[in-house]
Amino acid sequence: NAGVTQTPKFRILKIGQSMTLQCTQDMNHNYMYWYRQDPGMGLKLIYYSVGAGITDKGEVPNGYNVSRSTTEDFPLRLELAAPSQTSVYFCASSYSNRGTDTQYFGPGTRLTVL
Amino acid sequence: DAKTTQPPSMDCAEGRAANLPCNHSTISGNEYVYWYRQIHSQGPQYIIHGLKNNETNEMASLIITEDRKSSTLILPHATLRDTAVYYCIVRSGYGNKLVFGAGTILRVKS
Repeated sequence: NAGVTQTPKFRILKIGQSMTLQCTQDMNHNYMYWYRQDPGMGLKLIYYSVGAGITDKGEVPNGYNVSRSTTEDFPLRLELAAPSQTSVYFCASSYSNRGTDTQYFGPGTRLTVL
Repeated sequence: DAKTTQPPSMDCAEGRAANLPCNHSTISGNEYVYWYRQIHSQGPQYIIHGLKNNETNEMASLIITEDRKSSTLILPHATLRDTAVYYCIVRSGYGNKLVFGAGTILRVKS
């Protein structure tokens, strides 16, 4: 199993540009998450999904959109990039939302908006 | 989810046990204690979790006090590769998110 994979690893955007961060998991997990991590800070939840076709907002959803058309994929869309979105983005997945279930994280996408 | 308090940083000699404390005085009965770590620039890695009993796996041991208001993560023989930020997280029995604080920077030195 590859686990959780993310592409691209790095990206530089200009203000106002758009892009999609890709996330794929091969563990047949129902739950998927997007977090962002600003320098020196902990992770904050952007969006999550409990299964194909179902998504919900996390703590910091503004400026982002998500979709979940398949169990494996959970892309994150930035429509109008802003400098405040400069961050490292992590995708994660878990089998369920039970307290005993572990979230597995991808390697991250480092995004810079200039 | 309950809030946690961890020291900002700790040092440990290579080969010695690293004991990382965490206070979670407002933890409720159905909340689990989770530990993750993040090695520089990588995604967080699950270490261990527990409810009220002490737990051990191939990576670490988790000691939870009887009143569950604090816990200690123990890395029995720390190596240089254990240098990372360690996050203590309290999570309810059914919760969709992990709430990450600032964590403890553990520096293992030779």
